[in-house]
Amino acid sequence: DAKTTQPPSMDCAEGRAANLPCNHSTISGNEYVYWYRQIHSQGPQYIIHGLKNNETNEMASLIITEDRKSSTLILPHATLRDTTVYYCIVRVDGANSKLTFGKGITLSVRP
Amino acid sequence: GAVVSQHPSWVICKSGTSVKIECRSLDFQATTMFWYRQFPKQSLMLMATSNEGSKATYEQGVEKDKFLINHASLTLSTLTVTSAHPEDSSFYICSARSTVNSPLHFGNGTRLTVT
Repeated sequence: DAKTTQPPSMDCAEGRAANLPCNHSTISGNEYVYWYRQIHSQGPQYIIHGLKNNETNEMASLIITEDRKSSTLILPHATLRDTTVYYCIVRVDGANSKLTFGKGITLSVRP
Repeated sequence: GAVVSQHPSWVICKSGTSVKIECRSLDFQATTMFWYRQFPKQSLMLMATSNEGSKATYEQGVEKDKFLINHASLTLSTLTVTSAHPEDSSFYICSARSTVNSPLHFGNGTRLTVT
């Protein structure tokens, strides 16, 4: 699976949109972009995933560039509870396809 | 939907004993489950892929005789840490998905402390 690069940390103001970037310049055509987050002492929580088109669900939006070499996770109205580590992962779907976690980005939402 | 339950959430055991951790998919069937380990301030590391009715596939460097995985049904996989030592103390997390194209969903993890 292709590797992703995320900045180690970022912050945003409570109530504002949090835009978390991810680079995946070696992504191949059949690899999906997945986003998870992990709140301390819990298992990772699935947020959203996409292949080419932008996606939106009740938690977030995922914007994928046309060349698919980067993407942005958008939390539209960040809250203090969104302060945690977010992982961007690319993966081919398939029977034994694995999720390989990098270091992620730590988002700090400030009051 | 897509709830994965792990039990126990934490366990303390003595060095040399074995500990079994259960992972259940509560509202779906999972032919494949994955086991991860996470040390403090580190990311998750995949240990093994568990397939229902067949042997697990272990990642490089993970001892299959020490970390026994049994995936006896479509809703249950177990990880047994045999002859546990203090260095096995870690956060163990399982994950599962309902179809090959579904997102992986994770359990809430098991904190193992070996004294």
